[in-house]
Amino acid sequence: KNEVEQSPQNLTAQEGEFITINCSYSVGISALHWLQQHPGGGIVSLFMLSSGKKKHGRLIATINIQEKHSSLHITASHPRDSAVYICAVRPLIQGAQKLVFGQGTRLTINP
Amino acid sequence: DAGVTQSPTHLIKTRGQQVTLRCSPKSGHDTVSWYQQALGQGPQFIFQYYEEEERQRGNFPDRFSGHQFPNYSSELNVNALLLGDSALYLCASSLFGGPAYEQYFGPGTRLTVT
Repeated sequence: KNEVEQSPQNLTAQEGEFITINCSYSVGISALHWLQQHPGGGIVSLFMLSSGKKKHGRLIATINIQEKHSSLHITASHPRDSAVYICAVRPLIQGAQKLVFGQGTRLTINP
Repeated sequence: DAGVTQSPTHLIKTRGQQVTLRCSPKSGHDTVSWYQQALGQGPQFIFQYYEEEERQRGNFPDRFSGHQFPNYSSELNVNALLLGDSALYLCASSLFGGPAYEQYFGPGTRLTVT
């Protein structure tokens, strides 16, 4: 079993829909990252969380440390949101700055 | 201020050859981490360099080696290439001990081994 699991693996929605991507992890962490990867490979950091909730524009990220679970929400989705969204955690046990990644969720927003 | 840069963008090599990938960290950063991302998978941690030394290493064979230079830039070397080494190689930079260890990623180098 992977230390970081994301669901769903693939998600297709219509423009304007509310999107939720989930991330569960099995280790103690110091931080959780949500990342966006467009075709071509470049990764952009969206959020870094250690507790609570963060909002940036139409994106909202929440984390529940006790339940070892995080969600990324996109409101009023748009075709330009189409990308792979990756959850990554920084394990407490291994320390330092290593990130452990989920397998990603491929999101497609149709116009 | 340039972000993380990587070169080359794409590379095609033959089995058994050796390859060197390069990464320049974001200005002000002193730590470089390398990740391998196979098609359809999340990135896997290869190793991390700080103060010109390998500080942490993931589950990769000794064919994967690296180096960090005094200007904080880094190289990833892979010897005796296998078909399974075909992947996107990502470099991430950060400030060791910086606020919450935020990492900035480069655009990646796509390596194809034939």
